[in-house]
Amino acid sequence: EAQVTQNPRYLITVTGKKLTVTCSQNMNHEYMSWYRQDPGLGLRQIYYSMNVEVTDKGDVPEGYKVSRKEKRNFPLILESPSPNQTSLYFCASSGTANNSPLHFGNGTRLTVT
Amino acid sequence: GNSVTQMEGPVTLSEEAFLTINCTYTATGYPSLFWYVQYPGEGLQLLLKATKADDKGSNKGFEATYRKETTSFHLEKGSVQVSDSAVYFCALSGDSGGYQKVTFGTGTKLQVIP
Repeated sequence: EAQVTQNPRYLITVTGKKLTVTCSQNMNHEYMSWYRQDPGLGLRQIYYSMNVEVTDKGDVPEGYKVSRKEKRNFPLILESPSPNQTSLYFCASSGTANNSPLHFGNGTRLTVT
Repeated sequence: GNSVTQMEGPVTLSEEAFLTINCTYTATGYPSLFWYVQYPGEGLQLLLKATKADDKGSNKGFEATYRKETTSFHLEKGSVQVSDSAVYFCALSGDSGGYQKVTFGTGTKLQVIP
């Protein structure tokens, strides 16, 4: 089954404790992206990657890091989480045509206290 | 820059009512337009898309027509069901900013009551 898998689904942590949210896709997609979803703000892009070893900032990259060492994986790293990073996070992937839709994971709800 | 504006929610309808969720956009070039749906506890999934002016996307009884003259992509369904309760997002991509730049609206929550 074609899917994007994120882990964990829920995560509660404390300020400053480094964490990683994993994302994996099995559709051989070149393009992968991370979004955060906040009430009243919709989805905002954090980082994206157009292929292995190629990453770029989205609209809200501050406080986040990503890596793309393999085509299928695109982890999101918070080196020193802060309470304003409490949010619902989604990983997505797609093909490279202009009209290719995004395929989303089921989300990771992160709470930073 | 690009932007997508959709009607504020929540929208509450009775079962079998007609649904319209308005969406307008601002973009350079010729973007592709999408509607995504998010059911509770899940990620977004594609509902329908249209890639050029006057195209009509349709799926599961939902329809939307790409109107370049009014820069709109309104979502419609003739008869909603309780199972349609979800959050609906309008989005665009593939304009001069490149396919990787997907811009989402803020989402419209639909609640359908029996």
